[in-house]
Amino acid sequence: DVKVTQSSRYLVKRTGEKVFLECVQDMDHENMFWYRQDPGLGLRLIYFSYDVKMKEKGDIPEGYSVSREKKERFSLILESASTNQTSMYLCASSLGPGQGGTEAFFGQGTRLTVV
Amino acid sequence: AQTVTQSQPEMSVQEAETVTLSCTYDTSESDYYLFWYKQPPSRQMILVIRQEAYKQQNATENRFSVNFQKAAKSFSLKISDSQLGDAAMYFCAYRAVFGNEKLTFGTGTRLTIIP
Repeated sequence: DVKVTQSSRYLVKRTGEKVFLECVQDMDHENMFWYRQDPGLGLRLIYFSYDVKMKEKGDIPEGYSVSREKKERFSLILESASTNQTSMYLCASSLGPGQGGTEAFFGQGTRLTVV
Repeated sequence: AQTVTQSQPEMSVQEAETVTLSCTYDTSESDYYLFWYKQPPSRQMILVIRQEAYKQQNATENRFSVNFQKAAKSFSLKISDSQLGDAAMYFCAYRAVFGNEKLTFGTGTRLTIIP
């Protein structure tokens, strides 16, 4: 089974802190994603990576950056956390265009609270 | 840009009955994938069913089936013989076949099962 693991289920940080959310997948997937989930808004894409060191902005990248130094790991960085970044963050991975497959596999989510 | 609309924020159904969740989408692509994901209280997103747009036959997975109307850009999920374990948020999602492989999600429908 594909496993996507997020480093924390719950996180509480202070305004202005630099926050790292880590995600690791164990199935050699080329694509990795960070989504933000808010009630009534569904899941919105923050950033997408299709290869090591490659990234694309999603729909709501402001206030976030990402890092993908190794294929299996995709990190979301909040440079200076703000209260409006309090949310559920979901990491996902999927096979790339040359690998076949269509679905994305998700981690268990990190509920981040910024106080 | 692609959009996915779920117009039912909440639905409820009696145990053992059938319920249909609605989803419409907008795209200029002719080839794409559609998905229904389930998110139970555990927060783990689970793929329920997948439909390839080029296939006219509606996908079926045990008690779950879809009604895919390509011309109308409609993709509804039917759950037969509803069970208590079906209680969850259900998200409809779209992915293009070529180009950007991100998933675009609807806002979700919370399904309650009444014993």
